[in-house]
Amino acid sequence: KAGVTQTPRYLIKTRGQQVTLSCSPISGHRSVSWYQQTPGQGLQFLFEYFSETQRNKGNFPGRFSGRQFSNSRSEMNVSTLELGDSALYLCASKWGAGRYEQYFGPGTRLTVT
Amino acid sequence: AQKVTQAQTEISVVEKEDVTLDCVYETRDTTYYLFWYKQPPSGELVFLIRRNSFDEQNEISGRYSWNFQKSTSSFNFTITASQVVDSAVYFCALSEAGESGGSNYKLTFGKGTLLTVNP
Repeated sequence: KAGVTQTPRYLIKTRGQQVTLSCSPISGHRSVSWYQQTPGQGLQFLFEYFSETQRNKGNFPGRFSGRQFSNSRSEMNVSTLELGDSALYLCASKWGAGRYEQYFGPGTRLTVT
Repeated sequence: AQKVTQAQTEISVVEKEDVTLDCVYETRDTTYYLFWYKQPPSGELVFLIRRNSFDEQNEISGRYSWNFQKSTSSFNFTITASQVVDSAVYFCALSEAGESGGSNYKLTFGKGTLLTVNP
């Protein structure tokens, strides 16, 4: 079974621009979560989608948004990029909405200049 | 608030040594799950184990073992006879109910422990 895939793997953007990251979950998994990883803050939860609905949201500004499609694929968008948004963005999928183990993708390394 | 503390920021050992990574958590939930993940230099988090709060039995998987002690709110991870390939950052995580409660669970991660196994 293929793992979680994320595209693109690396991205360089300029402050003020917007960016869209994509995540394809493991086949059969209906829950997708997004995390931001930085050296200073560590791994922080952004949001979770299940059956195209946002189920939970972390403590991030409204510039961070996401969505999930009927095939469970998910995208996250960051508008008006700031230097502090430079991070590794990880997507994770799990079978259901409960406390199942999450399987992570390789991440998208976003650099904002 | 839910919290996970991994007090050891970095550990360095020589191959074949045993090493224990500590994890202490705080939660008000009566039912919760604990996880360990490994993040090698490639960056992808690899799931290692999930343990629920009602199961305090220790778990062993090959060279890996986990010690869950509810009384001390700890979920420690031991690697026996460490190998160079074990070098990675290891994260302990706790599942908590999200803001909406119900089945909205999110992971709260510790800061991670960087394990370096030298040949």
